[in-house]
Amino acid sequence: AQKVTQAQTEISVVEKEDVTLDCVYETRDTTYYLFWYKQPPSGELVFLIRRNSFDEQNEISGRYSWNFQKSTSSFNFTITASQVVDSAVYFCALSGSNFGNEKLTFGTGTRLTIIP
Amino acid sequence: NAGVTQTPKFRVLKTGQSMTLLCAQDMNHEYMYWYRQDPGMGLRLIHYSVGEGTTAKGEVPDGYNVSRLKKQNFLLGLESAAPSQTSVYFCASSYPTWEGIGNEQFFGPGTRLTVL
Repeated sequence: AQKVTQAQTEISVVEKEDVTLDCVYETRDTTYYLFWYKQPPSGELVFLIRRNSFDEQNEISGRYSWNFQKSTSSFNFTITASQVVDSAVYFCALSGSNFGNEKLTFGTGTRLTIIP
Repeated sequence: NAGVTQTPKFRVLKTGQSMTLLCAQDMNHEYMYWYRQDPGMGLRLIHYSVGEGTTAKGEVPDGYNVSRLKKQNFLLGLESAAPSQTSVYFCASSYPTWEGIGNEQFFGPGTRLTVL
């Protein structure tokens, strides 16, 4: 069975501070995919990143960066120099790679509030 | 491209009433999914489909039925609505992993359902 844990339910930081959102996963698959989605106050789900299990390179996209460590089964997300527009609920998710096993298992989300 | 659309956006039902939620996608995705989102619980998979004419149960299928008669549409039905089905419902679609394109799921805007 697959499981995703986002232990941080809510985080508040002052604008321009850096913040890291934690994600820990469990799976028996050797090949799998990890995702982060953003849900702003408007309610839609926005895809941020997909990472293959065989690619442990960290990724940076503007102010966003992701740290994938298979040794600790973690896929953490860092926002640098946070902005008010980053306020949202962020979900980490996991999927398998075999036919029929590609459905997403979501964590419970972390609500991030950026204080102006 | 409209992406993934959902109809209706809002609905209020009385206990025991029935309704159908419609999801449509124009990206030629093979896979489609229905999730429900409840406070503090993230997104949970209700049913999914890996192709036209196929459906399968997800994590929380009880009280729901689905049909995928056309590749672009995925219908979610509630035969006898209960207050426990008050939730926000999201539809999503994706390519299969083996197509090598990327299996990130694209989400619709959601349907907010209240059952009184």
